[in-house]
Amino acid sequence: QKEVEQNSGPLSVPEGAIASLNCTYSDRGSQSFFWYRQYSGKSPELIMSIYSNGDKEDGRFTAQLNKASQYVSLLIRDSQPSDSATYLCAVNEVKEYGNKLVFGAGTILRVKS
Amino acid sequence: DAGVTQSPTHLIKTRGQHVTLRCSPISGHKSVSWYQQVLGQGPQFIFQYYEKEERGRGNFPDRFSARQFPNYSSELNVNALLLGDSALYLCASSLAGTGAYEQYFGPGTRLTVT
Repeated sequence: QKEVEQNSGPLSVPEGAIASLNCTYSDRGSQSFFWYRQYSGKSPELIMSIYSNGDKEDGRFTAQLNKASQYVSLLIRDSQPSDSATYLCAVNEVKEYGNKLVFGAGTILRVKS
Repeated sequence: DAGVTQSPTHLIKTRGQHVTLRCSPISGHKSVSWYQQVLGQGPQFIFQYYEKEERGRGNFPDRFSARQFPNYSSELNVNALLLGDSALYLCASSLAGTGAYEQYFGPGTRLTVT
């Protein structure tokens, strides 16, 4: 079983619509969750972090976390063609002496104008 | 402030050769992590260093090694290159070695092994 799972997509939405990206994880002890956006040929860019159950909003982005269901989601409101990218869900695996990010394979989002 | 920097941007090597990749973290960040990303997959953790000490190692062979310098910059070394080592190598910096600290990625080094 993969540690972090995402639907690979592509997810296609029309311009102005809400894009909903989902992620599930297996480690019940995880406490920190991140969404990265990666344009083709570029490195991942951190767009949202969430640490407690519920919603966290930042501009057009809302991250949602449900630890009981081991589920994280990212909503993008008023989607724009510039939002077209791969969205990576990452879970922070904390050990006694360090930590590491465990990534899903990413969901490709295409916003059509 | 400058973000994470990596060098070189691109690199072409032949099987069996050795490569050294370099990374400078964001000013004030003391932890550097290395990730490998192959096409179509998410980044895979290779190493974490904090205060010049290795704090974590991923499932990579001993051909991969790294170190961190007193100024918190880091090098990733890969010996006896294989075709399968072709990937985007990413460096990420964070404030500290443990805890819920966000990691910020550099632009990456694209390694091609022929």
